[in-house]
Amino acid sequence: EAEVAQSPRYKITEKSQAVAFWCDPISGHATLYWYRQILGQGPELLVQFQDESVVDDSQLPKDRFSAERLKGVDSTLKIQPAELGDSAMYLCASSSIRWDREKETQYFGPGTRLLVL
Amino acid sequence: GENVEQHPSTLSVQEGDSAVIKCTYSDSASNYFPWYKQELGKRPQLIIDIRSNVGEKKDQRIAVTLNKTAKHFSLHITETQPEDSAVYFCAASTPRSNYQLIWGAGTKLIIKP
Repeated sequence: EAEVAQSPRYKITEKSQAVAFWCDPISGHATLYWYRQILGQGPELLVQFQDESVVDDSQLPKDRFSAERLKGVDSTLKIQPAELGDSAMYLCASSSIRWDREKETQYFGPGTRLLVL
Repeated sequence: GENVEQHPSTLSVQEGDSAVIKCTYSDSASNYFPWYKQELGKRPQLIIDIRSNVGEKKDQRIAVTLNKTAKHFSLHITETQPEDSAVYFCAASTPRSNYQLIWGAGTKLIIKP
């Protein structure tokens, strides 16, 4: 069964350093989402891509966060500089809006757990 | 904008009993309602979903019901087992909001042996 891939699974960094997370969606999925999840809370959408275009990045703290999906397949989320409050799980999800069937269903990757010291 | 409320925040049931988690949504245009199960440190996993043209859907011990008039939907788990212990999230989406999921706050389900 196809799955969303993410790396790294864990990242420990010091504040003010740069970090980057990678996501490879399920093959053929046109829509990709990055979420942040703080322990005990629901996922918070950071950015949504349709192919290589940003659909919504209104919740992305653009002073320090950036996201790209240059070829409309895999994606990178970057934080620079990292702050203590960025410690969280970063989840990537994908869905296939192209198709009529199950177009809304989002499938999640295993996540990257970030700890900022 | 859309808002999804989920209750209870914590639910403790005896193994073998049933568990019910309820969600209400505010946007009448919402037409897709998934339920995710998340174990500690793991990814959210889709366990069941329902679309607005259906009132009920079942998958073995799990069922979801949707009441469009009242704008609420519920997750029912029968014959609960220890492995059902997790946090459950409901969500809702509409086409006009790019199919983004609006999440409930989650319910921690504890199955007592």
